[in-house]
Amino acid sequence: GAVVSQHPSRVICKSGTSVKIECRSLDFQATTMFWYRQFPKQSLMLMATSNEGSKATYEQGVEKDKFLINHASLTLSTLTVTSAHPEDSSFYICSARDLFRLTSEGGEQFFGPGTRLTVL
Amino acid sequence: GIQVEQSPPDLILQEGANSTLRCNFSDSVNNLQWFHQNPWGQLINLFYIPSGTKQNGRLSATTVATERYSLLYISSSQTTDSGVYFCAVDRKYNFNKFYFGSGTKLNVKP
Repeated sequence: GAVVSQHPSRVICKSGTSVKIECRSLDFQATTMFWYRQFPKQSLMLMATSNEGSKATYEQGVEKDKFLINHASLTLSTLTVTSAHPEDSSFYICSARDLFRLTSEGGEQFFGPGTRLTVL
Repeated sequence: GIQVEQSPPDLILQEGANSTLRCNFSDSVNNLQWFHQNPWGQLINLFYIPSGTKQNGRLSATTVATERYSLLYISSSQTTDSGVYFCAVDRKYNFNKFYFGSGTKLNVKP
């Protein structure tokens, strides 16, 4: 149980185009999903918290107009990188907590396999 | 924010050896998890361990929350254990922000 999928796994696009990445919880529901970014040989940095039915919460320094997040249902969050540029090339990973396994302290997070974005 | 420090940053082992990875954190936490990131980037959940000790096969982990550290033990290492090991924590009263350590890169040689 607790499987998170991402699509696509890899995408190459031209500078100036927009790219949409989907994150799905396959066997559980999640009111909150998280989007991370990882540069080569570095750790993961939280970009934003995606809330079902409401606006996402962005971390300091992350442009909300650049990285559009939509959490349309309890099993799907999407991240759209708008007008992508080479500096947006990175590994994007989503995670989620199982709504029905939450504790007062939050609970375990489950991560998707990641999406490798290359902007030419 | 909370500081998460992992040591050692790099570790080379001969197959069959044992190792201990450490994670120190600077503030009280709600949740602590250990992950193994495989060569394709997938984060594999190893342990969800805010406190106490857990074991899963050749791996075990201990978190001493009052002293703000966690240890991951790998026994009888195998080449498939190679990769990067991360610990991640979130702060008490703000469990929606997960802070990752910088990782330990493990290379197990045959």
